[in-house]
Amino acid sequence: DVKVTQSSRYLVKRTGEKVFLECVQDMDHENMFWYRQDPGLGLRLIYFSYDVKMKEKGDIPEGYSVSREKKERFSLILESASTNQTSMYLCASRRPRDTGELFFGEGSRLTVL
Amino acid sequence: TQLLEQSPQFLSIQEGENLTVYCNSSSVFSSLQWYRQEPGEGPVLLVTVVTGGEVKKLKRLTFQFGDARKDSSLHITAAQPGDTGLYLCAGADEGRGSTLGRLYFGRGTQLTVWP
Repeated sequence: DVKVTQSSRYLVKRTGEKVFLECVQDMDHENMFWYRQDPGLGLRLIYFSYDVKMKEKGDIPEGYSVSREKKERFSLILESASTNQTSMYLCASRRPRDTGELFFGEGSRLTVL
Repeated sequence: TQLLEQSPQFLSIQEGENLTVYCNSSSVFSSLQWYRQEPGEGPVLLVTVVTGGEVKKLKRLTFQFGDARKDSSLHITAAQPGDTGLYLCAGADEGRGSTLGRLYFGRGTQLTVWP
């Protein structure tokens, strides 16, 4: 059974802390994505990666960075968490076709106090 | 930039009713996908439509891609409580370079079907 696994389902952090959200996929997919999901705003793309060590900014990259050292792992980093980064974060992977299905993880709900 | 306008945002209906969700854009997409998301889970793909005018059926769900590949609709016949969830449309960019194949999501339609 194919799987995208996000390391933490729920996190609570304080303003200014560094936060790591980890995502691992077992499908040998080249493309990986990080989205945040907020009520009424849908899914907004933060960063994506077409392959190992490659990264591209999405629509809302400010305050975030990413790391893709291995094909199966894509990490989202909040260097200094702020309250407006409280959200649901979704990781997804895909084979490199524009009609390809996105496989999502279950999400990481981050609360920044 | 929100390229896809999805409507309605909320839909609350009784079991057995029919409904349609719309996804509209001024941009042309190479393909369009519909996902369904249940609470506590990530979205799951329902269907991909690729050709302008294409119609796909999945049991009681009918998906249509507009002739100009700018819009799509999802029609559910005789809705059931199990259809409850967040429905998301996503269009694939037909541009070049780093935007090729990028998906743009609508804001979603929260459907609740009451028994």
